[in-house]
Amino acid sequence: GAGVSQSPSNKVTEKGKDVELRCDPISGHTALYWYRQSLGQGLEFLIYFQGNSAPDKSGLPSDRFSAERTGGSVSTLTIQRTQQEDSAVYLCASSVRDRGPYEQYFGPGTRLTVT
Amino acid sequence: AQSVTQLGSHVSVSEGALVLLRCNYSSSVPPYLFWYVQYPNQGLQLLLKYTSAATLVKGINGFEAEFKKSETSFHLTKPSAHMSDAAEYFCAVSVFNGNKLVFGAGTILRVKS
Repeated sequence: GAGVSQSPSNKVTEKGKDVELRCDPISGHTALYWYRQSLGQGLEFLIYFQGNSAPDKSGLPSDRFSAERTGGSVSTLTIQRTQQEDSAVYLCASSVRDRGPYEQYFGPGTRLTVT
Repeated sequence: AQSVTQLGSHVSVSEGALVLLRCNYSSSVPPYLFWYVQYPNQGLQLLLKYTSAATLVKGINGFEAEFKKSETSFHLTKPSAHMSDAAEYFCAVSVFNGNKLVFGAGTILRVKS
């Protein structure tokens, strides 16, 4: 079946611009996670959604970052007023749910470069 | 809070040799543990996971890992390295509330011919 997809695969933007990154999870997966992978910080959790519950935003690095999940499926991660330190690969993952021994399936990522 | 330490940011082995990638975790509750592999310019692929059913876990591509509670370790092994195993490997622990993954820093495996 189809895996997790992300778009765009690459995004180059100028400092100060806003960007939107999209994630399509595996159908039927109720949990959706965003992670960031950067040279200096490694892999770090950003935010996750479970069903219709309020998202866990505890990993967002600043208020310039936000995310939403519409209809329990597609998610969009938005970064406002991008800074050079936002340059990273943004990974999305989905899971059957957020409890129990369920693995997360990762998408290919969006490589963001802020110039 | 949960944390993961991977000893050795780079490991180099000869083709056919044993692969051993080390992972130690810290968790106040029985953890779920995972090993993921990342090939260049690709996402993360699950190799194997520990969920308390068995301490020796077998995964894909001939990899296995043993959960040792007394040592808080979950080292990844493969008896015979293949060139195609060259990649970056991440150990991760799942946070109980929400299953957020906390990753180690990763180990880049190089396989020499």
